[in-house]
Amino acid sequence: QQQVKQSPQSLIVQKGGISIINCAYENTAFDYFPWYQQFPGKGPALLIAIRPDVSEKKEGRFTISFNKSAKQFSLHIMDSQPGDSATYFCAASRAGAGSYQLTFGKGTKLSVIP
Amino acid sequence: DAGITQSPRHKVTETGTPVTLRCHQTENHRYMYWYRQDPGHGLRLIHYSYGVKDTDKGEVSDGYSVSRSKTEDFLLTLESATSSQTSVYFCAISPRGGGSYEQYFGPGTRLTVT
Repeated sequence: QQQVKQSPQSLIVQKGGISIINCAYENTAFDYFPWYQQFPGKGPALLIAIRPDVSEKKEGRFTISFNKSAKQFSLHIMDSQPGDSATYFCAASRAGAGSYQLTFGKGTKLSVIP
Repeated sequence: DAGITQSPRHKVTETGTPVTLRCHQTENHRYMYWYRQDPGHGLRLIHYSYGVKDTDKGEVSDGYSVSRSKTEDFLLTLESATSSQTSVYFCAISPRGGGSYEQYFGPGTRLTVT
């Protein structure tokens, strides 16, 4: 059972455009939603994260939008640059289980073309 | 990579041989995790540790064992490697203090089982 569904699988955006990646979750106990950025041959790097008590969080050109009632959250990359070309993973975690395990989406490969 | 090293970085081994991967951290974080990354599956949790000698299973633990005898080291062992365990393995650490959920990933180990 996939608990975090991510779309699209791949995305091509023109330089300067907006990249949008969406995730949907099933478990209402999730209370932490991070996004990771991964370049080829590297480990995932934490990009930005949100808790369900806020609907939006912005850090530079990266924004997370969160819709608790729809159980969806999305990553927006404004003014996309070729250097943003990477694979992006959404994830979700819940407290109370002790481990704070992250459940990941399957990833979106973003290509930003000049 | 947040004070995390993994060794070896690449390994080719034959089916049926034992393999041990090492994760070493310099951050003194309590929680450590082992994930595997496969195309089309994202990252999946194998095992995690919440302290010295305290470990538990993740989503895909069959065929793997772990040990943590020191805070800084978390070992992943494949007792008898199979071709289905060909993957990229990532270690992650987390401070888990003050409500922190962040996980930080190492550079990964690419394992090929022939």
